[in-house]
Amino acid sequence: LAKTTQPISMDSYEGQEVNITCSHNNIATNDYITWYQQFPSQGPRFIIQGYKTKVTNEVASLFIPADRKSSTLSLPRVSLSDTAVYYCLVGDIENDYKLSFGAGTTVTVRA
Amino acid sequence: KAGVTQTPRYLIKTRGQQVTLSCSPISGHRSVSWYQQTPGQGLQFLFEYFSETQRNKGNFPGRFSGRQFSNSRSEMNVSTLELGDSALYLCASSLEQGSGANVLTFGAGSRLTVL
Repeated sequence: LAKTTQPISMDSYEGQEVNITCSHNNIATNDYITWYQQFPSQGPRFIIQGYKTKVTNEVASLFIPADRKSSTLSLPRVSLSDTAVYYCLVGDIENDYKLSFGAGTTVTVRA
Repeated sequence: KAGVTQTPRYLIKTRGQQVTLSCSPISGHRSVSWYQQTPGQGLQFLFEYFSETQRNKGNFPGRFSGRQFSNSRSEMNVSTLELGDSALYLCASSLEQGSGANVLTFGAGSRLTVL
């Protein structure tokens, strides 16, 4: 069973808001939800992390419902430079903390 | 504060050879984890080291090995290279081991091409 499930791809236009939902039905009590962004031929970069409710930083917002079985990364007013792969990462306690990134969501922003 | 440094950035090897990749974590970070990234398989966990001990290992053959030194620097080695080993190898460091609330900081990666 996949630890997290995300859409494979999403298309958007400059200036729009992009929302990516990640499902993590088996999230454990101690797990945090962390999102990373990756550009081609670079390592992933931390975007935001949360445990419950809502977290906001200068780059994005993270919405986590009360049951924590999913989370939504919100990118406000995207630009062409936001075209990247976005990964949702949840602590994998059941597998001795082996970190599973999944396939990620490829976000393409068009002019 | 210097980031995670991986060397070499690019390398080309032939089948049957072996390769060693190096990773210098952020100062103060004690955990180093390695990942293999290929177009078909995405980001796959190789292993994690903390305090010079391998804490976790992914589903890779024994040809893939690693170690961590007392200064937290880490190396990974791939012996008897196969064409399928061509990939971007990423190293990440964090303050503590495991996941949970730990934030990973990745290096730029080492691009290995096996001919």
